[in-house]
Amino acid sequence: TQLLEQSPQFLSIQEGENLTVYCNSSSVFSSLQWYRQEPGEGPVLLVTVVTGGEVKKLKRLTFQFGDARKDSSLHITAAQPGDTGLYLCAGATRWGAGNMLTFGGGTRLMVKP
Amino acid sequence: ETGVTQTPRHLVMGMTNKKSLKCEQHLGHNAMYWYKQSAKKPLELMFVYSLEERVENNSVPSRFSPECPNSSHLFLHLHTLQPEDSALYLCASSREVAGANVLTFGAGSRLTVL
Repeated sequence: TQLLEQSPQFLSIQEGENLTVYCNSSSVFSSLQWYRQEPGEGPVLLVTVVTGGEVKKLKRLTFQFGDARKDSSLHITAAQPGDTGLYLCAGATRWGAGNMLTFGGGTRLMVKP
Repeated sequence: ETGVTQTPRHLVMGMTNKKSLKCEQHLGHNAMYWYKQSAKKPLELMFVYSLEERVENNSVPSRFSPECPNSSHLFLHLHTLQPEDSALYLCASSREVAGANVLTFGAGSRLTVL
């Protein structure tokens, strides 16, 4: 079983602060995805990173895939209350003609106004 | 509306009941999934149907039975469930983007077993 550990599990910050969420594993993944889930909804894809060392930016969110493709981080600059939610990382491994995703336990973020 | 529709959104059932969860997607995706989301546990993959071939997690109890009549519809049949089966059941479908499967989730069916 491949495990993805996310840290921290919970984070409560004030609007305007910066934060980083980590996703670590001892396994190598072909790609890694980040999702955000809001209450009463399913997870929604934020980004997919494929290449070791890759950095992707989505407005105030910066995603990085580790060089060895075992870990990833999500950095949010100047957090806003709208960023509140459960952030999930998911590592992909090849399965047949497609991929199988293993999810981390999630980081629950609350941004207070 | 994400393109993946799940019904019902909420379900309360007794341990002796039989019920079914339904999932529908019209995104043209060719794989569909059932995930279980419990408090304090990572999302657990229960079943995958890809091109109508089923792959399952061997740890899923037989009281959960999936059915995929076509590439747009997926069911999860429930019978003689236990209180610990109470959870959010998420359906997803997927497409491949840059060699990676990208999931589109439904809003989930919140199940409570009394």
